[in-house]
Amino acid sequence: SQTIHQWPATLVQPVGSPLSLECTVEGTSNPNLYWYRQAAGRGLQLLFYSVGIGQISSEVPQNLSASRPQDRQFILSSKKLLLSDSGFYLCAWSVPAGVIDTQYFGPGTRLTVL
Amino acid sequence: AQSVTQLGSHVSVSEGALVLLRCNYSSSVPPYLFWYVQYPNQGLQLLLKYTSAATLVKGINGFEAEFKKSETSFHLTKPSAHMSDAAEYFCAVISDSNYQLIWGAGTKLIIKP
Repeated sequence: SQTIHQWPATLVQPVGSPLSLECTVEGTSNPNLYWYRQAAGRGLQLLFYSVGIGQISSEVPQNLSASRPQDRQFILSSKKLLLSDSGFYLCAWSVPAGVIDTQYFGPGTRLTVL
Repeated sequence: AQSVTQLGSHVSVSEGALVLLRCNYSSSVPPYLFWYVQYPNQGLQLLLKYTSAATLVKGINGFEAEFKKSETSFHLTKPSAHMSDAAEYFCAVISDSNYQLIWGAGTKLIIKP
């Protein structure tokens, strides 16, 4: 069966520091991968998605970047964190299936920028 | 543009009572619809999905949703609420332009003892 891991689970970082969040998927090959952010009390915002190694689509301009160095690894990064980067970051995966891709989510990373 | 509207940011029901969480969508093509649940400080878990087969979709944990094209709705129901159902519920539709999920703002379900 497929599993998705995210780490760290929680992170407290000062403004201006770098960020690296990692997501890995097991039990499937060539998945679509996604990074979402949930700000406090708000819904989900799609940040990035990837359909293959090195292929990243950005949905909104922001202070963050994403990379996919391996088939089942997705990394979210920032060179300098802002206060507004605080939130709950969720990674998700799906099996490419044309229109109906069902997304499955990881446990999330709670990021607090002080 | 497509959108998903979830009526009520918070819904409170008594334990054992009917749960009804509302979701309305806009789409120019037959939609594909999802309900997810999120427990505190956890990721989202798929409850059920509608993919143009049966209009009444059964999901996990006793939840079901009915697709009503004439009302552009996909409301989530459960006959009898349990304390363990307390969570936030999200409705989503697949975009007909880029095939990404368009999310509702979520509804927090509160269960009163």
